[in-house]
Amino acid sequence: QSVLTQPPSASGTPGQRVTISCSGSSSNIGSNYVYWYQQLPGTAPKLLIYKNNLRPSGVPDRFSGSKSDTSASLAISGLRSEDEADYYCAAWDDGLSAWVFGGGTKLTAL
Amino acid sequence: QVQVVESGGGLVKPGGSLRLSCAASGFTFSDYYMSWIRQAPGKGLEWVAYISSSGSIIQYADAVKGRFTVSRDNAKNSLYLQMSSLRAEDTAIYYCTREIFGDVWGKGTTVNVSP
Repeated sequence: QSVLTQPPSASGTPGQRVTISCSGSSSNIGSNYVYWYQQLPGTAPKLLIYKNNLRPSGVPDRFSGSKSDTSASLAISGLRSEDEADYYCAAWDDGLSAWVFGGGTKLTAL
Repeated sequence: QVQVVESGGGLVKPGGSLRLSCAASGFTFSDYYMSWIRQAPGKGLEWVAYISSSGSIIQYADAVKGRFTVSRDNAKNSLYLQMSSLRAEDTAIYYCTREIFGDVWGKGTTVNVSP
């Protein structure tokens, strides 16, 4: 059981906008930054979004992040087949004194 | 380029020990916090531990507290994870990451705890 809650799967057709949610609590998302990672099949995770809505250099602006109260979302616009991957959210949890992850969302491009 | 490379994984029996290493290059290692994050087969990501840039601040996940020890050698640009009293549930790919939140990840090293 993950501290942060994500839907196990999401899907969309190429070109579509897809969103992935991440629900937490006041001790994690509610009081700290949210981070998102993309893990392509058979590879290591890669940082996609940091501090709620900032993109590291090289990440396309098709990817965006947002946060409201104790929830966060990752949006992917203009979905491409190469976006098929597992996506994870994460945040620091003040109560647990631990870095916590969501269970991951498997994104499929139909 | 900026990179971290893990090594030291392998097959170990329950109750055994293993030491993982992470070699950093392309950045000033001594300026950064470092973390270990693991991923069990077919499962999600799980934070294991982090260590501050000087090594003075260390935090562990409850699942490994008392069994794992994280350390670093800034002169050698290296991060370590000493794992003892290993259990089957410690079987995972272990990733070394820069910063607590992981802006740079290695390819990982696989630890398999099995009789």
